Amino acid sequence: AQTVTQSQPEMSVQEAETVTLSCTYDTSENNYYLFWYKQPPSRQMILVIRQEAYKQQNATENRFSVNFQKAAKSFSLKISDSQLGDTAMYFCAFRANFGNEKLTFGTGTRLTIIP
Amino acid sequence: EPEVTQTPSHQVTQMGQEVILRCVPISNHLYFYWYRQILGQKVEFLVSFYNNEISEKSEIFDDQFSVERPDGSNFTLKIRSTKLEDSAMYFCASKVSTDTQYFGPGTRLTVL
Repeated sequence: AQTVTQSQPEMSVQEAETVTLSCTYDTSENNYYLFWYKQPPSRQMILVIRQEAYKQQNATENRFSVNFQKAAKSFSLKISDSQLGDTAMYFCAFRANFGNEKLTFGTGTRLTIIP
Repeated sequence: EPEVTQTPSHQVTQMGQEVILRCVPISNHLYFYWYRQILGQKVEFLVSFYNNEISEKSEIFDDQFSVERPDGSNFTLKIRSTKLEDSAMYFCASKVSTDTQYFGPGTRLTVL
């Protein structure tokens, strides 16, 4: 079974600064996907970024980028030029690459952007 | 842009009552999921559904739970006899055949 660990329950950063959220996972699969989802106070789950394990290049979406270290089973999220609207819970999630495999989530990191 | 929708946004029920949570997945999607998030905890998988049948379910998804796709557009989760511990946010998600699951806004279920 897969497990996802987020060791930072809470983080805070000043607006416009850069912050990195950590995620590690454990799996015996070789081919899989990793995701970061954002959950603002409205509690909707919003996809931030995804990474395919077979791709060596780190994914980037505007101010959001990841540092994917497959051998270390590490998948951190970097938010550059942080904005007040980035305040949310951030969940790391894993999905094996076959069929309709479910998402396995970490426990989340509550990120607060300070004005 | 197409979205997954869920109704109601908030459901309050008495313990022992049946509830049905409704979801309308994105129209060309083929795989459907229900997840649950108890307040302050992580999101947990309940069940996946493909080709009109359950493909996987978690330990949480016991005989009190059932899912249905009654008409080709709706995807429902029924809880037959609710318990206090069923109080949670319930998320529906769907995907095509590619990797990304898109989530609905959730239904907050409160069992009194």
